[in-house]
Amino acid sequence: AQTVTQSQPEMSVQEAETVTLSCTYDTSENNYYLFWYKQPPSRQMILVIRQEAYKQQNATENRFSVNFQKAAKSFSLKISDSQLGDTAMYFCAFISQGGSEKLVFGKGTKLTVNP
Amino acid sequence: DTAVSQTPKYLVTQMGNDKSIKCEQNLGHDTMYWYKQDSKKFLKIMFSYNNKELIINETVPNRFSPKSPDKAHLNLHINSLELGDSAVYFCASSQDTIPGETQYFGPGTRLLVL
Repeated sequence: AQTVTQSQPEMSVQEAETVTLSCTYDTSENNYYLFWYKQPPSRQMILVIRQEAYKQQNATENRFSVNFQKAAKSFSLKISDSQLGDTAMYFCAFISQGGSEKLVFGKGTKLTVNP
Repeated sequence: DTAVSQTPKYLVTQMGNDKSIKCEQNLGHDTMYWYKQDSKKFLKIMFSYNNKELIINETVPNRFSPKSPDKAHLNLHINSLELGDSAVYFCASSQDTIPGETQYFGPGTRLLVL
């Protein structure tokens, strides 16, 4: 069974600085997709970024980028120029291309951006 | 316009009661999901429907019964509520069942069973 591990339950960063959230996963599949979702205090789950495993290029969305290391099964999220509105729970998620079609989530990292 | 909406946002009820949570999406998606987020924030899938047909049914007590009257709606009915059912329930939708399709989440329904 696939598992997703986020080893940092909580992190904090100063406004305007850069922070990296880690995520590792375990799978025997070769084709899959990885996601980072953000859950601010409002509870809404918002997609931050998506990565296809067959693409070597790291996905980027404005201030958010990932470092995808397929061999290491690592998928970290880098937030540049952190803003107060980035304060949220961040969830890493995995879904394999074949099989059960279930999105498997990590336990989340609570990020606080300090002024 | 809200893409995925859920009602109610908050639900407080007594043990033993029966309650329903409604979900609607206006994205034209074919697939809808229910997730449960427990008190430790762990998010786990419960069910998914594609074009009104059940395709994922995780190990969930049969007190939980999803119903999809059409592909834009997926409701969750819970019988004989228990304390352990207290959680936030999220509805989500995606274009179809192809893995990798982005899932869009509703705002969540916080259920508190007393």
